[in-house]
Amino acid sequence: DVKVTQSSRYLVKRTGEKVFLECVQDMDHENMFWYRQDPGLGLRLIYFSYDVKMKEKGDIPEGYSVSREKKERFSLILESASTNQTSMYLCASSLGTSGTVTQYFGPGTRLLVL
Amino acid sequence: KNEVEQSPQNLTAQEGEFITINCSYSVGISALHWLQQHPGGGIVSLFMLSSGKKKHGRLIATINIQEKHSSLHITASHPRDSAVYICAGGFQGAQKLVFGQGTRLTINP
Repeated sequence: DVKVTQSSRYLVKRTGEKVFLECVQDMDHENMFWYRQDPGLGLRLIYFSYDVKMKEKGDIPEGYSVSREKKERFSLILESASTNQTSMYLCASSLGTSGTVTQYFGPGTRLLVL
Repeated sequence: KNEVEQSPQNLTAQEGEFITINCSYSVGISALHWLQQHPGGGIVSLFMLSSGKKKHGRLIATINIQEKHSSLHITASHPRDSAVYICAGGFQGAQKLVFGQGTRLTINP
């Protein structure tokens, strides 16, 4: 079974803090994704990566950056957390290069920025 | 208007009822994904289909490419089916998915 893990299930941070969310997958998938999920807005893509050190902006990249130094690990960085970044963050991975393959999701990190 | 629209947004039913969740899309997708999210957050992929019908246990997914419409059916629903169901469109040659808003299903005993 594919396993995607995220570093924390719940996180509370203060405005202005630098926040790291980490995601690890164990199936040698090329593609990794970071989404945020908010009530009424559904899942929105922040960034994705299709290879080590490669990244592409998603629909809402402002205020976020990412890092992929190893194939299995994809980090989401909030450089200076703000209250409007309070959300559920979900990581996913997939094999292949199209939207016609299954994405495997992690359990999510619920982030509260005070 | 979203490119992928789901209906209904919320659905409450009694145990044993036949459930249908609908997904319409306005763009030319190559595959339609159905996902399930239980309370607590984790998302599981249920189906990916590009034509016809797929079945897994009590869950059935259908797609009509010409009408740009897909349905997820649950037979003999059970309280453990209570979850948010999300459809998403996938495109050949592009990693991104386009997500619907989700349907919150509650099955009462």
